[in-house]
Amino acid sequence: NAGVMQNPRHLVRRRGQEARLRCSPMKGHSHVYWYRQLPEEGLKFMVYLQKENIIDESGMPKERFSAEFPKEGPSILRIQQVVRGDSAAYFCASSPETGSYGYTFGSGTRLTVV
Amino acid sequence: GQQLNQSPQSMFIQEGEDVSMNCTSSSIFNTWLWYKQDPGEGPVLLIALYKAGELTSNGRLTAQFGITRKDSFLNISASIPSDVGIYFCAGQLAGNNRKLIWGLGTSLAVNP
Repeated sequence: NAGVMQNPRHLVRRRGQEARLRCSPMKGHSHVYWYRQLPEEGLKFMVYLQKENIIDESGMPKERFSAEFPKEGPSILRIQQVVRGDSAAYFCASSPETGSYGYTFGSGTRLTVV
Repeated sequence: GQQLNQSPQSMFIQEGEDVSMNCTSSSIFNTWLWYKQDPGEGPVLLIALYKAGELTSNGRLTAQFGITRKDSFLNISASIPSDVGIYFCAGQLAGNNRKLIWGLGTSLAVNP
């Protein structure tokens, strides 16, 4: 998973707090994708972004969740007023503008809400 | 949301055996991808397929893009303990943006 950097690796939040998850894509990649994975389950698509644009957010919950990918800096997935059900592994992936459609994934952020 | 039909859901095999798993869809795909996820890590791309009928190998792994463009399989020959993990298929619909559609994964356990 070298190249896509996610931090923090582990994040513990109390119910009602905010969680901010960061993702720096591979060098030269301009597309970023966020996925959520519950234990023993597959990957659930959340949102697809390009620089300064949200391309597809069909997998994002309507409330409390937001994502951005600014012109400068990492992509941020923000979860406000976290609840226990938000506990999961959140993976970020990136892909280049052209060519291969294969994503490169980061190692994920494991969010635990207590 | 849309999902691929991936089977089997899990497999428990002896070291040295060959393994086969597949994914099917009711839709036509432009691209098929196979990933492996180790515990506590993100998925890693194993093989990418871009043309119907394409057969591609990566070491002991072989994958094929079905001729109908609605299915793909992954074979692992002579399995070893480090093959343990979850294998995911993913595909990109024809004419779609870069968003991938995913299978639910095949969990592989290898008995040494």
